[in-house]
Amino acid sequence: KQEVTQIPAALSVPEGENLVLNCSFTDSAIYNLQWFRQDPGKGLTSLLLIQSSQREQTSGRLNASLDKSSGRSTLYIAASQPGDSATYLCALLTGGGNKLTFGTGTQLKVEL
Amino acid sequence: DAGVTQSPTHLIKTRGQHVTLRCSPISGHKSVSWYQQVLGQGPQFIFQYYEKEERGRGNFPDRFSARQFPNYSSELNVNALLLGDSALYLCASSLDPLSRRAEYFGPGTRLTVT
Repeated sequence: KQEVTQIPAALSVPEGENLVLNCSFTDSAIYNLQWFRQDPGKGLTSLLLIQSSQREQTSGRLNASLDKSSGRSTLYIAASQPGDSATYLCALLTGGGNKLTFGTGTQLKVEL
Repeated sequence: DAGVTQSPTHLIKTRGQHVTLRCSPISGHKSVSWYQQVLGQGPQFIFQYYEKEERGRGNFPDRFSARQFPNYSSELNVNALLLGDSALYLCASSLDPLSRRAEYFGPGTRLTVT
């Protein structure tokens, strides 16, 4: 059974700081890995998708990496802003490609 | 283009009642999945439908059922509601399961069971 862990569970940083969110998983037989952002009480916004054959993806200030051999992914956020405050979830496409398995998320707060 | 839409936004039900949640996928997407997110946890997979057929089912009791219509919209039904069914129910759409493309989520339906 795939288990996904995100560390830290919560993080508070001052504005402008670069930060790294971690996601680890137990089964490397994945199709892809997706990072999402969730604002309180809202749905999920897709940030980055990394296919299993890729090592990283970038979008603006965000960079996500994938290392299947070690069962790890990281989300790097450069020059953090208060608007980045949200919960960040990683999810792996597994089960024959028909379901996402999510971590419990990292709650990020960027302070002025 | 409109994203994934869900209705209603919020819902309050009593234990033992039945509820129907609705989802419309992004135009051109033929696959719809349902997830349950309890407060403080990551979403849990309930169902996936593609071309009106069930393609996957998570570890949920038979009180949960779903269907997909010819226009690819979907309904999630929950019978005999329990307090533990209180959660945010999320719908996601994608082109098709085999494409391994990104899934896009709707805003969710907040269900409260009292």
